[in-house]
Amino acid sequence: DGGITQSPKYLFRKEGQNVTLSCEQNLNHDAMYWYRQDPGQGLRLIYYSQIVNDFQKGDIAEGYSVSREKKESFPLTVTSAQKNPTAFYLCASSITSGGTDTQYFGPGTRLTVL
Amino acid sequence: RKEVEQDPGPFNVPEGATVAFNCTYSNSASQSFFWYRQDCRKEPKLLMSVYSSGNEDGRFTAQLNRASQYISLLIRDSKLSDSATYLCVVNKGNYQLIWGAGTKLIIKP
Repeated sequence: DGGITQSPKYLFRKEGQNVTLSCEQNLNHDAMYWYRQDPGQGLRLIYYSQIVNDFQKGDIAEGYSVSREKKESFPLTVTSAQKNPTAFYLCASSITSGGTDTQYFGPGTRLTVL
Repeated sequence: RKEVEQDPGPFNVPEGATVAFNCTYSNSASQSFFWYRQDCRKEPKLLMSVYSSGNEDGRFTAQLNRASQYISLLIRDSKLSDSATYLCVVNKGNYQLIWGAGTKLIIKP
């Protein structure tokens, strides 16, 4: 089955720790995205990647880092510099990054900082 | 003013009724518009794209009003399974999508 997988589904982190969220897609999509969703707010873009070995900051990139070494994979690291990391993190992909293509989402990772 | 605004609801609607909600956007250069559906604690899924001429998919109809800068979603003969949060999404004319906070819909038997 084609799709996007994210792991883990739930993640608990102590303050001061870095954590990495996994995102893998087998849809052969060029573009991949990371969003953050907080209660009562729309999705906010953290980082996006249009192609392998290239990525750009979104609106709220501070305290996060990404890599895109393979087309299928776009991991997100939440660093200790992120002041309020507790949120629902969603990874998405689309055929291209033109903004007109449907974005397909993974099931998300709920991160809680203890 | 937010770039994309939606009434958060909830809209409590009896099963079988028709319900409609709007979404306003601020950027007149916006090119593409979408409605996504998000179930509780799940990922968003595309419901439908919104075209200039309007479009219909079964019980769902989406309309775009460029002059007044809003899009609408109409659901006819609502089902219990339509209960969800409906997210309005607007493309600014580049790669970036701007997401509304969503309108919560509750269909009651």
